Amino acid sequence: DIVMTQSPDSLAVSLGERATINCKSSQSVFYSSNNKNYLAWYQQKPGQPPKLLFSWASTRESGVPDRFSGSGSGTDFTLTISSLQAEDVAVYYCQQYYSNPHAPTFGGGTKVEIK
Amino acid sequence: EVQLLESGGGLVQPGGSLRLSCAASGYTFSSYAMSWVRQAPGKGLEWVSTIRNSGDNTYYTDSVKGRFTISRDNSQSTMYLQMNSLRAEDTAVYYCAKGSWEQLVRTPIDYWGQGTLVTVSS
Repeated sequence: DIVMTQSPDSLAVSLGERATINCKSSQSVFYSSNNKNYLAWYQQKPGQPPKLLFSWASTRESGVPDRFSGSGSGTDFTLTISSLQAEDVAVYYCQQYYSNPHAPTFGGGTKVEIK
Repeated sequence: EVQLLESGGGLVQPGGSLRLSCAASGYTFSSYAMSWVRQAPGKGLEWVSTIRNSGDNTYYTDSVKGRFTISRDNSQSTMYLQMNSLRAEDTAVYYCAKGSWEQLVRTPIDYWGQGTLVTVSS
């Protein structure tokens, strides 16, 4: 199985400041035949199901504010919140959907709080 | 509007069985893979199982193979998870989840249900 490792486990950021979350996969999730990274990011607020933020590592879902950005390739990925807002307090998860046969795995999550 | 509504959760003794259901609406159910993802109390997300849109192919995480069975009824827009030989470590909120793209299995999840709690305890 592909193991997804997120860092840090938690971080506290002041309102308006940048938050950076890292995600590393135990093997590449880049598929050369279509030039895509099979990596998604989710946001989960307390008491709610997760919400898809990005697919293909950097393709923002409709309605996701542009202060959120996804980057990276191969085994190393980053989710950045450029200017943290109060409503961004949540746990963020990365997920690979590269495995074939299908066996997606999630990172352990990163909890983002207000400093 | 896409809606996924889980049911069937509850308290069950170790070794017991439970059947979860997920009723879908608001999209062409038969065109998309569906999955179950669980979350133990205070823990992270864990993929459990996926079924192809046609129902022909199913996939399971190792810890549930041989104990859980995923299925779907496209005529009823409903997915199921039959859980047998339940263990304490299966205690979690179980989410019904929809794949993002038609016909494909290896996709992210674009819609989630609110979840149903399964508690395995004596």
